[in-house]
Amino acid sequence: SQTIHQWPATLVQPVGSPLSLECTVEGTSNPNLYWYRQAAGRGLQLLFYSVGIGQISSEVPQNLSASRPQDRQFILSSKKLLLSDSGFYLCAWSGLRRDSPLHFGNGTRLTVT
Amino acid sequence: DQQVKQNSPSLSVQEGRISILNCDYTNSMFDYFLWYKKYPAEGPTFLISISSIKDKNEDGRFTVFLNKSAKHLSLHIVPSQPGDSAVYFCAASVSRRYMRFGAGTRLTVKP
Repeated sequence: SQTIHQWPATLVQPVGSPLSLECTVEGTSNPNLYWYRQAAGRGLQLLFYSVGIGQISSEVPQNLSASRPQDRQFILSSKKLLLSDSGFYLCAWSGLRRDSPLHFGNGTRLTVT
Repeated sequence: DQQVKQNSPSLSVQEGRISILNCDYTNSMFDYFLWYKKYPAEGPTFLISISSIKDKNEDGRFTVFLNKSAKHLSLHIVPSQPGDSAVYFCAASVSRRYMRFGAGTRLTVKP
């Protein structure tokens, strides 16, 4: 069966520090991969989307970036965090079928201080 | 952009009764709709979906209804159980890239 791992679970970082969140998927090949963010009291906002190695689509302009160095690895990064980057970050994967639902990791609670 | 709205931030029901969670959308291009359930400190888990060619989909205690003319969908849970207490997100998509989520409704099922 497929599993998705996301770490760390919680992170407290000072403003201006770098960020690296990692996500890996097991049990499937060539998944579509996603990074979402949930701000307090709001829905899930798509940040990045990837259909393959090195292929990244950005949904919103921000100081975050994403990379996919391997088929089942997705990384969310920032060179300098802002206070507004605080939130709950979720990695997700989906299969290739159009009606394949998203499967989420357990998320990372990021607090920028 | 609030293309998917869940206007009730919370809902409380008694165990054994029906829970009805509502969701409205504005984009008529959406053709696939999903409900996710989320426990604290966990990622959302997929619950049930419906294609726009249907108006009802059932899976055990969970039924999703779609009213395309009203741009409205709802999730019915019958009977409600305390373990159903969680935050429920509705989502709508044109493609998997263009999936939009509501802000969520916190359901509390009281024993």
